[in-house]
This record gives sequence, structure tokens and C-alpha cells, in this order.
Amino acid sequence: QVQLVQSGSELKKPGASVKVSCKASGYTFTSYAVHWVRQAPGQGLEWMGWINTNTGNPTYALGFTGRFVFSLDTSVTTAYLQIDSLRAEDTAVYYCVRDENYDDYEYFQHWGQGTLVTVSS
Amino acid sequence: DIQMTQSPSSLSASVGDRVTITCRASQRIGRYLNWYQQKPGKAPKVLIYAASILESGVPSRFSGSGSGTDFTLTISSLQAEDFATYYCQQSYSTLYTFGQGTKLEIK
Repeated sequence: QVQLVQSGSELKKPGASVKVSCKASGYTFTSYAVHWVRQAPGQGLEWMGWINTNTGNPTYALGFTGRFVFSLDTSVTTAYLQIDSLRAEDTAVYYCVRDENYDDYEYFQHWGQGTLVTVSS
Repeated sequence: DIQMTQSPSSLSASVGDRVTITCRASQRIGRYLNWYQQKPGKAPKVLIYAASILESGVPSRFSGSGSGTDFTLTISSLQAEDFATYYCQQSYSTLYTFGQGTKLEIK
């Protein structure tokens, strides 16, 4: 079965960097995109962008350019989200998601369990 | 970006009630509209995709309709386990966007 297993919670100081991992299993990793979704405490879902697992090409949503980097290691079927120059407002749960496609309709079928990143001095 | 606006933002209802949540897109998106349910501390779960197709395993009391700019999620008879937050999402543009969410609470 499809599984996305994310790395554990992180506590970081402002200005530091963090790298969240998302280990995929149960399917051909390079056949499906990986998306990243942020959810700040008590807030809604924000789509951050996605990475083409075949080419490694990332696409970032507005507001997630510059400090956010998506990457892959296909040899271990893992996607990564790195956030640099962390700010308090980056405190959130970050989800990786594998999409599904039905007759050209895409939707987010498989979600990781989420990784809480807390930024505090 | 395509903006998605849900209404209401919150809703109180009782077990057995029929509930409708609305999602409006800032431009026409065909039927590229998905609905998700999220319970506290859990990852979201897809309920409906392509505006009206029920994801496998989702109870038939959930239904979706609409096309173009206006969409609805209906729960025909609320069950205790349905109290959660619901989000719409457009997949017409590859810059996917979510609605702000509708919190469904017990009256």
C-alpha cells in the first residue's frame, strides 16, 4: 500500500534551517508528483508547491519562493523540504502529499502524517 | 492564482441534519474541484474529486455537485464522526489552491 512517512518534529531557532524528509513506498516513486502543504496552528491548508519526481523540477506557489527548496533522492524514494532563514511564522505542520489522477482530474489522495516545525528562540 | 472561497466558515449542526457547504472559484474551473475532510491532529482525507466522484470507501451520505465557479458539498444525514473541518481545492490550475475551510461543529 502507498505510504508516505515523514521525519519527526523539529524545534529550531530563528535564522536556522530545517530539512523535512518524506519517505515514499508502495508505488513507483518517479511516476507521481510530490506536493507540500503547510498548515499553521489553527489555520487552513496552504499549497506550497510540488516537485516533478521524474525530472526533479520544482514549482513553488506564490509566497514560497526564495527560502523554500524542494528536492529528491530517488535512490531512496525520498522527497525533501528545506526551509532556510526560519522565522516564527514558519511554525506549522508540513505535509507531503502524493497526487492521483483520474481522467485528467488530479487530487491529493495520499498524505504523510505531517511534520511539526516550531521556530522559537 | 485562482482564489477559492468557502461558506460558511463555521457551521453548527446536529446528528441527522442535512448540511451543505459551498465553494466558489474566482474563475471558471470546470469540474476540477476536490473536497477534503480533516479531523484535529490528523492529515486531510479526500472525500470527493472531479466535483462529484466519491472516493472509494467514503460513505454515500457525502455528495458533491457543481461546475464552473460554484460547487457544493452535501452531507445528507450527519453522523457523529462527520464533525470536522472541510476544505475545497481546485486542480484546474497547476498552482493548486485550497479554500479557507469550513468547521462543522456539534450543536
